Amino acid sequence: ETGVTQTPRHLVMGMTNKKSLKCEQHLGHNAMYWYKQSAKKPLELMFVYNFKEQTENNSVPSRFSPECPNSSHLFLHLHTLQPEDSALYLCASSQDRRIQETQYFGPGTRLLVL
Amino acid sequence: QKEVEQNSGPLSVPEGAIASLNCTYSDRGSQSFFWYRQYSGKSPELIMSIYSNGDKEDGRFTAQLNKASQYVSLLIRDSQPSDSATYLCAVNTGSARQLTFGSGTQLTVLP
Repeated sequence: ETGVTQTPRHLVMGMTNKKSLKCEQHLGHNAMYWYKQSAKKPLELMFVYNFKEQTENNSVPSRFSPECPNSSHLFLHLHTLQPEDSALYLCASSQDRRIQETQYFGPGTRLLVL
Repeated sequence: QKEVEQNSGPLSVPEGAIASLNCTYSDRGSQSFFWYRQYSGKSPELIMSIYSNGDKEDGRFTAQLNKASQYVSLLIRDSQPSDSATYLCAVNTGSARQLTFGSGTQLTVLP
């Protein structure tokens, strides 16, 4: 596999469920990101990890919990979500957090919360 | 004021014409600017990056940056129906230098 992969690609869950999204990058990058994309709204940065350390948390509700066990893998653990959390969740990676680094996106997980 | 602003469109141009997409940003300290293309139901893919004032050309695409006016644009020459997508402007902004995205401009190239 090449690039940035995400699983699952689609997820339907109830508000009481617990699920996890997985992201893996095969680019040798050191920084990984979670974004949320809702209909008609800009991409929203949720979390940033650089060399496995969380460097940004943009006031994301605690029902979203990230985990970065190594520089290649990133998880987003979900629990007691709300219907308004339904969105496309995108993972991205870049070489590191330097200002000019390009971010490369995975295909996304489309989440529907019932 | 939004940090990164784009006209949402939709912008329609005939095949073969030049499509012009515009983006303004509020943080004067921004140094990195990116254009991504996003097809419906797909993830964003990088088209161009630009860091210095002036023009940068790559094939049919030209990015233009004017830091004094806080303005960045993307020109697509000889537009093709396959260019129909949403184009996202992204700028490194704020003290944390996060990548902030505009809401995107939807482009339709009519055959």
